[in-house]
Parts: sequence; structure tokens; C-alpha cells
Amino acid sequence: GAVVSQHPSRVICKSGTSVKIECRSLDFQATTMFWYRQFPKQSLMLMATSNEGSKATYEQGVEKDKFLINHASLTLSTLTVTSAHPEDSSFYICSAGGLNSYEQYFGPGTRLTVT
Amino acid sequence: QQQVKQSPQSLIVQKGGISIINCAYENTAFDYFPWYQQFPGKGPALLIAIRPDVSEKKEGRFTISFNKSAKQFSLHIMDSQPGDSATYFCAASMSKTSYDKVIFGPGTSLSVIP
Repeated sequence: GAVVSQHPSRVICKSGTSVKIECRSLDFQATTMFWYRQFPKQSLMLMATSNEGSKATYEQGVEKDKFLINHASLTLSTLTVTSAHPEDSSFYICSAGGLNSYEQYFGPGTRLTVT
Repeated sequence: QQQVKQSPQSLIVQKGGISIINCAYENTAFDYFPWYQQFPGKGPALLIAIRPDVSEKKEGRFTISFNKSAKQFSLHIMDSQPGDSATYFCAASMSKTSYDKVIFGPGTSLSVIP
């Protein structure tokens, strides 16, 4: 149980375009989902916290107009990288928390490459 | 206050040896301390976790030792195997639910050599 999926696993896009990444909790309902970014050989950096049905809370220094987060249901959150630039190339990971658990379950990650 | 420190940055251990990774925190409001294992190109996976009301937790070859007064905790991997080679992150959070964010340490790259 407690499986989180991400789609796509890899995406390559051209500079200036937008990319949407989906995060789904497959076998549980997630009231809260988190989005992280990880650069090579570095730790996970929290970007934002999203709660179902409300606006996401962004960490300091993260541009909310560039990284659009939508958490429309208890099983789906999306991250849209708008007007992507090469410096946005990174590994994006989501995690989800269950209704009755303090555990967070991580997705497999999405590798974004902006050319 | 929010930072979690972790050492060493990298670790090389012989097969069968003990791998030890240490972490420290400042914020006494943290009440949940998970360890995550991450393989290249994959998301982190929960390995083992502890709360500050216990001093030690063991699951198979993995043991967490927790020192509340020193605000330190460590991961011991007994009988280390080449398949344990991965990056390990200690972490901390402040809530008894999953609603609060997890603060990650910088990570330790473990290599277990045959």
C-alpha cells in the first residue's frame, strides 16, 4: 500500500514552453502533497505544500507564478513549470501524506530537462 | 533552527562492516525523525523512523539511536551489503501528522565495496 506515482518519469522540453507533472496517490487519499526539487548530488529542497481544495503554500524563494501547483482532488496534485528555462532542469519529486498517518510517501520523481 | 545536519558526506565500507551516519538538529519541536534511502534516479524511500520518546529502534540490519538531550540521532547499518550502496538522508518534522513538511539533511553517499 501507500503508493505514489508521478507522470511523466522523464520529460524534455524547449526553453519557453510549459510542462505539467502529475502526482497521484494510488491507494490512499492524500490531504497534503509536497513538491520537492533535487539537483545532482544534493538534498531534496521543498518547493511547496499543497492541500486539497486550497492554494499551495510556497517556500521562500520559490516563484509561485512560475511553479503552478493544483491539488484538485485527494489523489491528484499537479506541478506546472511555466516558461521553462535551462536552469529549471532538475529532478522533481512529490510526496503525499495519508489521512490517518504521519508518514509521507514519495513518488519516483520526474526528470525535467529544458533545452 | 530548521536545519538538520548530517555527516559524513560520503562513506566507504567493506562488505560485512558497519555503516554509521550521524545527524543533529536544533529545533526541539521536531518530534519525528525518519531516514530515507535513495538510489540514483529514484525517489527516496522510507527506511526506518523514530520518535524522541525512545532511544533506539531496530528493524533488521538497520538501527536508529536517538539522544534527545544531545539532539542527535544516528543510523547504523549492520552487515553492510553492496546492495545498500545508495544515498541516505536523515530528516525531521514537527507534527504528529503528515501535514507538516519534512526537513532533510544534506545526505550521505554510501558505497559498500565487496
